[in-house]
Amino acid sequence: DAGVIQSPRHEVTEMGQEVTLRCKPISGHNSLFWYRQTMMRGLELLIYFNNNVPIDDSGMPEDRFSAKMPNASFSTLKIQPSEPRDSAVYFCASSFAGEDTEAFFGQGTRLTVV
Amino acid sequence: GENVEQHPSTLSVQEGDSAVIKCTYSDSASNYFPWYKQELGKGPQLIIDIRSNVGEKKDQRIAVTLNKTAKHFSLHITETQPEDSAVYFCAASYSGYSTLTFGKGTMLLVSP
Repeated sequence: DAGVIQSPRHEVTEMGQEVTLRCKPISGHNSLFWYRQTMMRGLELLIYFNNNVPIDDSGMPEDRFSAKMPNASFSTLKIQPSEPRDSAVYFCASSFAGEDTEAFFGQGTRLTVV
Repeated sequence: GENVEQHPSTLSVQEGDSAVIKCTYSDSASNYFPWYKQELGKGPQLIIDIRSNVGEKKDQRIAVTLNKTAKHFSLHITETQPEDSAVYFCAASYSGYSTLTFGKGTMLLVSP
């Protein structure tokens, strides 16, 4: 398996624009996580899906952020409208919920909002 | 919810020395404690983990210890090498049924 695949790797956008980040989890995994990483706050969980259903979205900063998982092999994180403070590295991770909960991370998307 | 504190935030050692990173957690129900290594430009990668029914676990040059009573766990790296330089994160969760809560990370620098 190629691991968790995220796209794009880098995104530069202007304030106010819509940004969509994409994630393909590892085949067979039933849990998917979106994290945001900044120097100030470290790794923050934004949202967690289990079997394609959002279980915990308490980390989503505000209504500008939304996430979907239409099927087991694809998820998106959308920011609309984007703001400079959204600049961060966004990671997607997947795991198989059970005794072995190792989370496998993608390479991340570095988002810069100017 | 769970809160994980990690220290130090940066650690500089000479090649061959040992490095120790410490974490504390708040939720006594947590029973799974992984450590992740993040190299520049990459996502975090699991290097070792421990469950609450075990006090210590070793894998070659790395080891993790857990003190459930005190609610703290530590990562030990012996005979450090320059390629060990990275950011290390500790995390905690209730195994299999909840998300990982991460510490803020420790930047380890190993000088040749």
